[in-house]
Amino acid sequence: EAQVTQNPRYLITVTGKKLTVTCSQNMNHEYMSWYRQDPGLGLRQIYYSMNVEVTDKGDVPEGYKVSRKEKRNFPLILESPSPNQTSLYFCASSLYGPDTQYFGPGTRLTVL
Amino acid sequence: AQKVTQAQTEISVVEKEDVTLDCVYETRDTTYYLFWYKQPPSGELVFLIRRNSFDEQNEISGRYSWNFQKSTSSFNFTITASQVVDSAVYFCALSPLTGNQFYFGTGTSLTVIP
Repeated sequence: EAQVTQNPRYLITVTGKKLTVTCSQNMNHEYMSWYRQDPGLGLRQIYYSMNVEVTDKGDVPEGYKVSRKEKRNFPLILESPSPNQTSLYFCASSLYGPDTQYFGPGTRLTVL
Repeated sequence: AQKVTQAQTEISVVEKEDVTLDCVYETRDTTYYLFWYKQPPSGELVFLIRRNSFDEQNEISGRYSWNFQKSTSSFNFTITASQVVDSAVYFCALSPLTGNQFYFGTGTSLTVIP
């Protein structure tokens, strides 16, 4: 089944404790992206990747890192999480840049 | 600037009523894609439609229809004869062909009352 998977689905952590949210797609898509969803703000793009080893900042990249060492994986790294990073995070992939994106199920992160 | 505005934060309708969700966008690019996504209460994001900037034909899919008007930079979504299962948050999004970024509106929360 074609899908985007994210893990974990729920995570509660404390300020400053490094964490990684994994994202994987099995559709051989070139483009992958991370978003955060906050009430009243919609979805905002954090980082995106056009291909392996190519990543670019979205609108809200501060406090996040990403890497794209393999085509199928695009992990989101929070090296020192803070409470303002409490949010719902979505990973997405598409065949190429502006094409239809398919979203993972979301990861609800709470930083205490 | 690239921007998507969904001015309607929340809408409530009674089942079987028609409802239109508004989407206004801003872009300097001449080539771009517009999208609508649905987020039901379960939380996943479901793709509904993609439209490119060169295709202003309206589209109908069952009870759903979309009206794209470049002259007013709008891409409105109409649900005919609404059903309770249509209750969700609906997002409009813009992706210019240059730049490779996506811009989402803040969403419209639709509640269909039985």
